[in-house]
Amino acid sequence: SQTIHQWPATLVQPVGSPLSLECTVEGTSNPNLYWYRQAAGRGLQLLFYSVGIGQISSEVPQNLSASRPQDRQFILSSKKLLLSDSGFYLCAWSAGHYEQYFGPGTRLTVT
Amino acid sequence: AQSVTQLGSHVSVSEGALVLLRCNYSSSVPPYLFWYVQYPNQGLQLLLKYTSAATLVKGINGFEAEFKKSETSFHLTKPSAHMSDAAEYFCAVSDSGTYKYIFGTGTRLKVLA
Repeated sequence: SQTIHQWPATLVQPVGSPLSLECTVEGTSNPNLYWYRQAAGRGLQLLFYSVGIGQISSEVPQNLSASRPQDRQFILSSKKLLLSDSGFYLCAWSAGHYEQYFGPGTRLTVT
Repeated sequence: AQSVTQLGSHVSVSEGALVLLRCNYSSSVPPYLFWYVQYPNQGLQLLLKYTSAATLVKGINGFEAEFKKSETSFHLTKPSAHMSDAAEYFCAVSDSGTYKYIFGTGTRLKVLA
C-alpha cells in the first residue's frame, strides 16, 4: 500500500530564516506531487505541483520554491521566511486525474 | 475554468439528524469529483469519489453523494449524524486540462448533542 510522509510535524522559525519541508511517498512510482498551504480558517491554496522529476509548476511565486530531486521526494523551500508564510502545509500525491492522498501536514509558525 | 462552490461555510446538525453538505461544480466535460474530510491539525482524508461510473457513490463512515449532471451538483449526505462527524469537509474536482485539483472553500460541520 502507498504511504506519504511529511516532516517535521511542527516548526517554529523566526522571520528571515530559511525553510525546508520534505515530503516522501512510498509504494508507488511516478506520482504527481503537490504542495498546499492552509492559512488559519481558510481553504486550500495550491502552491506547487510536479508531474515528474525536475518538473515543477508554480501557482504562487512569492518567496517559496519547490524541488523534486527524486521520483517520490518533494521539497518546499524558502530562503527568507515572512510572517505571512505561517500556516499548515500539506503534501499530496495522485496517480493521473484520480483522487489525491494527503500527508499529515506541517504546522509552520513564523515569529 | 473549472470551479467548485460549497454553499454554507458552517453547518450545524443535531446528533442523529440528516447531514447535507452542498457542492456545485462547473465543468465543460464530465468531471472526476471528490469529497474529503479534515479533522483538526490533520491532513485531508478521502471520503468518496465519482469517476463516471454509478451516479450514487458510497463512501466511508456512512457518507454518500449523488452526482446530478443536470444540476451540476455533488451533494454529500449521511442519514444520521454522529458526534465524530464534526470536522471540515471539502469538495473537489480534478481539472481535465492539467493535473490540478480545484477545491471548494470548505464546510465546517458541527454536531450538537
